[in-house]
This record gives sequence, structure tokens and C-alpha cells, in this order.
Amino acid sequence: QVQLQESGPGLVKASETLSLTCTASSGSISSYYWSWIRHPPGKGLDWIGYIHYSGSNNYNPSLKSRVTISLDTSKNQFSLKLSSVTAADTAVYYCARYKHSSGWYLEHWGQGILVTVSS
Amino acid sequence: DIQMTQSPSSVSASVGDRVTITCRASQGISNWLAWYQQKPGKAPNLLIYAASNLQSGVPSRFSGGGSGTDFTLTISSLQPEDFATYYCQQANSFPLTFGPGTNVDIK
Repeated sequence: QVQLQESGPGLVKASETLSLTCTASSGSISSYYWSWIRHPPGKGLDWIGYIHYSGSNNYNPSLKSRVTISLDTSKNQFSLKLSSVTAADTAVYYCARYKHSSGWYLEHWGQGILVTVSS
Repeated sequence: DIQMTQSPSSVSASVGDRVTITCRASQGISNWLAWYQQKPGKAPNLLIYAASNLQSGVPSRFSGGGSGTDFTLTISSLQPEDFATYYCQQANSFPLTFGPGTNVDIK
């Protein structure tokens, strides 16, 4: 069974860069598409973007100027960097893997990590 | 962006009830739609993909339907473990977008 685990600081200062890593416990990270999603408190789910080892990626236009998602195949990890954070970026951040060859459906999710932006 | 809406926003039901949740897309998305269940403190769990395909391991009391702009998720006989929030998600185009959620709680 695929297990995904997010890691990184739970507290980030405003104007700084949020950095998170997702580690996949099984299966090659090169074989699938991977994504970050966030869930701000009291709001709905917000798709951040996806990456594939081929270099293919796509980011939510609402975040595109601040987001970078990258892949490290040697560690079976992928990462999220979100720059110039504000209180509006406070959320539970999830990493997820898409369902293979079926469309853009998020089949496996990490447990989530709460990131709070402090002033 | 494709906007997703859901109705109702909340429903109170009893064990054994049939519950139907509706999701509407702001433009046609064919059958590129998923449903997720989320319980407090947990990640969303994929229930239905491609509008009507049951994800492996999901009980058969869950079913999905619709195409174009209007979709439904039906729970045929509500069980205690089904009390949760349900989200739809369009998979037709980027950015992927989710509905605001429907909370199913105990009457």
C-alpha cells in the first residue's frame, strides 16, 4: 500500500518561504504524477499543482508566481516551495498521487501537515 | 477556472437513510468528475472517479452518476462510518477545482 508522508516546518513567518517535502514509501516516484493540495481552515480544498518526472508540471494560476514543485528521484521525494507567504497561506497541506492512467484523480494522500503563517 | 457548486451544504440523516448529494460544474466537463469523503483530521479519500466508477475498496452503497454539468453522489443506506464531509472535484481542465463540500451528520 502506498504511503505518503509530508514533512517540514509547522510555523513559517510572513514574507518567508514555506518548504515542504513528501516522501513516498513504495513504488517509484518516476512512475506517477504527484500533487500538492491545501485546505485552509474553514474553507474548501485548494489545488496547488502537479509534477511528473518527465518535467511536465502545472500550477494553479492563483499561486503560480510563488510556487515551485520539484522532484528528487534519488530520495523518492517531491517538494513544495511557496514564497512570500501571508496569513492566507495558513492551511493543512497534503501531498497526493494521481490514479494511474485514469485521469486527474487523487488516489493516495498523505496525512497532511498544518502550516501556520505567523506575523 | 471551472467553478464547482454542491447542494445541499449540509444534510442531517439517520442510519439506513438514502442520501443524495448534487454537484454542478460551471461548464461541461463530460464525465471528468471525482467524489471524495473526508473525516475530521483525516485526508480526503477517493470514492468515485470518472463520475460513476467505484474506487477499489469502497463499499457498493456508494454510487455516482451524471455527465456534462450535473452530477450526483448517492449513499443507498447510510452507515455510521459514512458521517463525513463529501467533496466533488472536476478533472477536466487545470486548475483542478473542488466543490465547497457537503457535510453529512447524524439526525
